[in-house]
Amino acid sequence: DADVTQTPRNRITKTGKRIMLECSQTKGHDRMYWYRQDPGLGLQLIYYSFDVKDINKGEISDGYSVSRQAQAKFSLSLESAIPNQTALYFCATSDSTGNTYGYTFGSGTRLTVV
Amino acid sequence: AQSVTQLGSHVSVSEGALVLLRCNYSSSVPPYLFWYVQYPNQGLQLLLKYTTGATLVKGINGFEAEFKKSETSFHLTKPSAHMSDAAEYFCAVSPFGNEKLTFGTGTRLTIIP
Repeated sequence: DADVTQTPRNRITKTGKRIMLECSQTKGHDRMYWYRQDPGLGLQLIYYSFDVKDINKGEISDGYSVSRQAQAKFSLSLESAIPNQTALYFCATSDSTGNTYGYTFGSGTRLTVV
Repeated sequence: AQSVTQLGSHVSVSEGALVLLRCNYSSSVPPYLFWYVQYPNQGLQLLLKYTTGATLVKGINGFEAEFKKSETSFHLTKPSAHMSDAAEYFCAVSPFGNEKLTFGTGTRLTIIP
C-alpha cells in the first residue's frame, strides 16, 4: 500500500457542487499539506496542518476548506466548485523535521469542474 | 519570503547528452533546497536535497546538484541522459526554520532518441 493515499484518483463534478478530496497516510508524520498543480504554475499551497489542532491557510485558500480528522487523515473540501478549480491536487506529508527529509507525496487527484 | 525560478519550462536533450536544469532561489535565511521529479500520472518523488554541509549533493538515478550561494543557484545535472529521465522536474526551497516548501514552476524534460 502507498504511504500517502488520495481518493478519488479522478473526479468530474458540476459547478456549484460540494466535493471532498481525502488523504490518508501511514508514515506516522505529524505534518500534512494540500497543494494544487496547474500547468506552468507549479505547485501552490492551499492549506497545511502541523498537527491535529493546527490548521493554516496557504497561498490560495479561497474557495477551499480542510479538516484534519486524525493524525493520519487530512481532507480538502471545495464548498461550491467552480471551473477554475479544475486542477491536479496533491496531498503531502512530512515529519517535524520536514525541511530536512523532504515531503512524501500522494499520487494526486485529478479534478474537473464542468 | 522565499521564491524559486526555474529557467526553461521545456528542455530537450539527446539520449546520452548532458542534462542541465536550472534553478535560482531567493531566501532571506539559509535555504534548504530540493529537486523533485514527477513522472506522468504520478506524484512527486524526491531526487535530492541540500540542507547543510557539502555543497555538491548526489541523488537518485545519477542526478546531482550543486548549491552555489554566491549565485543563489541549485542547478540539476546528469552526465548522460536516458530515455527514462523524461519527466517534469521541480526545484523547491524551504528557509531554515520554516518547513513549508515553495516550488518553482517546473521544467519538462524531453529525451530525444
